[in-house]
Amino acid sequence: EDQVTQSPEALRLQEGESSSLNCSYTVSGLRGLFWYRQDPGKGPEFLFTLYSAGEEKEKERLKATLTKKESFLHITAPKPEDSATYLCAVQGGTGAQKLVFGQGTRLTINP
Amino acid sequence: NAGVTQTPKFRVLKTGQSMTLLCAQDMNHEYMYWYRQDPGMGLRLIHYSVGEGTTAKGEVPDGYNVSRLKKQNFLLGLESAAPSQTSVYFCASRLTPIEQFFGPGTRLTVL
Repeated sequence: EDQVTQSPEALRLQEGESSSLNCSYTVSGLRGLFWYRQDPGKGPEFLFTLYSAGEEKEKERLKATLTKKESFLHITAPKPEDSATYLCAVQGGTGAQKLVFGQGTRLTINP
Repeated sequence: NAGVTQTPKFRVLKTGQSMTLLCAQDMNHEYMYWYRQDPGMGLRLIHYSVGEGTTAKGEVPDGYNVSRLKKQNFLLGLESAAPSQTSVYFCASRLTPIEQFFGPGTRLTVL
């Protein structure tokens, strides 16, 4: 059974204080690992897809990396507008086109 | 493009009542999904569809039914609502494996 665990559950940082969010996964035949951002009262918004170990993707202050067991979302010099819940999901080789989500990390950036 | 829209945005039901949630997408996507999101549980897949006229069970299908009579619409039905179905429901659609587009959500309370 595919599983995704995110840590920490919540993270509070000062503006400009860099950090990383972790996504550990077990999956039968990884077809893709996805990062989403979710603001309160809204649906998840796509950020990145990673397909194989060693791959990296960047977008503004965010950088996602992937190993065979986990993914990290690095946040460099964050701003208050980066505050959100960040969700990680995997798509495995079985289970036809389905994503399995982690429980998310709630990130708060204080000015 | 409106993207993915959901109707209604909020609803309060009494135990035993029935209702239908509507998801519509104008991106000509083949795949559509219904998720529920509960605190600390992450997003869990209820049902999904890989094309018009097809449906399949996800992780938590009990108590729900779905229909995909038209490519652009995916309906989620609750025949006899229970308090355990109090949740936020999200619909998503996708064309390629890269990205699922999510709707804004429906907040359902069952008393």
